Amino acid sequence: DAGVIQSPRHEVTEMGQEVTLRCKPISGHNSLFWYRQTMMRGLELLIYFNNNVPIDDSGMPEDRFSAKMPNASFSTLKIQPSEPRDSAVYFCASSSPGTDEKLFFGSGTQLSVL
Amino acid sequence: AQSVTQLGSHVSVSEGALVLLRCNYSSSVPPYLFWYVQYPNQGLQLLLKYTSAATLVKGINGFEAEFKKSETSFHLTKPSAHMSDAAEYFCAVSAFGGYNKLIFGAGTRLAVHP
Repeated sequence: DAGVIQSPRHEVTEMGQEVTLRCKPISGHNSLFWYRQTMMRGLELLIYFNNNVPIDDSGMPEDRFSAKMPNASFSTLKIQPSEPRDSAVYFCASSSPGTDEKLFFGSGTQLSVL
Repeated sequence: AQSVTQLGSHVSVSEGALVLLRCNYSSSVPPYLFWYVQYPNQGLQLLLKYTSAATLVKGINGFEAEFKKSETSFHLTKPSAHMSDAAEYFCAVSAFGGYNKLIFGAGTRLAVHP
């Protein structure tokens, strides 16, 4: 299995631009999570889906952030408009009931907003 | 609600010395507890997990952790540090049936010096 695949690996953009981060979970996993990692705040859970349905988006910082999961094999996290304070590493993770609560993480997207 | 507190954002040990990384949790329900490791520029990898079976849990790379309900602790230990153990370590908690939603601590960066 290729694991959780995230793209792009790095993203540099200017303030005000739209940014879209992508995630392909492990095949067969039915839960998907988006985390953000910064030096100041550590790892924060932004949103998670179960069976493609958003279960808890209370961690999404504000309306500029949105996430979708149109099918079991794809999810996006969009920031519009982006701001310098959004600079962070964004991780996607997936799991299934059979993984006994274990999360499988992607390699992350390093986002820099100038 | 669950939360995790990791005592010490940085720990430094000599190669061959005991590694002790501290984690205390708060949970209103019986918790599942995890330790993850993050190497530079990589996603998180599971070291070990406690899911209400044996209180002493053995993980990969010689690490182990003991669940102590009376102390609400889940400290990570390794008898002899290796240079390759230098990384950031995260303690995490989730609730059974919580769609594998993990709440992470702030992390502890472990440095190993010769």
